Amino acid sequence: DIQMTQSPSSLSASVGVRVTITCRASQSISSYLNWYQQKPGKAPKLLIYAASSLQSGVPSRFSGSGSGTDFTLTISSLQPEDFATYYCQQSYSTPRTFGQGTKLEIK
Amino acid sequence: EVQLLESGGGLVQPGGSLRLSCAASGFTFSNYAMSWVRQAPGKGLEWVSDISGSGGSTYYADSVKGRFTISRDNSKNTLYLQMNSLRVEDTAVYYCAKDPEQLIPRGCFDPWGLGILVTVSS
Repeated sequence: DIQMTQSPSSLSASVGVRVTITCRASQSISSYLNWYQQKPGKAPKLLIYAASSLQSGVPSRFSGSGSGTDFTLTISSLQPEDFATYYCQQSYSTPRTFGQGTKLEIK
Repeated sequence: EVQLLESGGGLVQPGGSLRLSCAASGFTFSNYAMSWVRQAPGKGLEWVSDISGSGGSTYYADSVKGRFTISRDNSKNTLYLQMNSLRVEDTAVYYCAKDPEQLIPRGCFDPWGLGILVTVSS
């Protein structure tokens, strides 16, 4: 199975700053990497698919990059509604695996 | 608008069975792969199972293989998860989710249903 490791596990940041979350795969997954946002008590929402493609309706302040084993999710200017938990997920093979999550909190 | 609505959750004793349903609307159901993903209380996301649009291909996490069965009825626009031999560690919110791409799945999940809680406890 492909293991996905996110860092950091938690992050405290202020509104308006740029934030980067990293996801590392245990083997190469090409660009088969997706990012989700989950708010408390809600279902996850797809933000980025195929490493860098913005899902329809997602604000352009979200971007993704990377290929192979190392990937990043960047939020260019944090907004109050962005405080949530973020998960990466590989779609290279089954079992589909998620990172452990990064909780983004208000500073 | 795409809508996914899970039902069938609840409290069950260890060793028991439950069948979850996910009623889909707002899209051509048979053209899309569907999935079940779960989240134990306070924990992260765990993929459970995928099924192709036709229902001819299914995939499972090792943790549920041999105990859970995914299926779909394209005439009823409904996805199912039959869960047998339930364990305490199966306690979670179960989400159904749609692959966002027709015919050739991307292997990601969008949108998701609201989720349904399954509690396995004596």
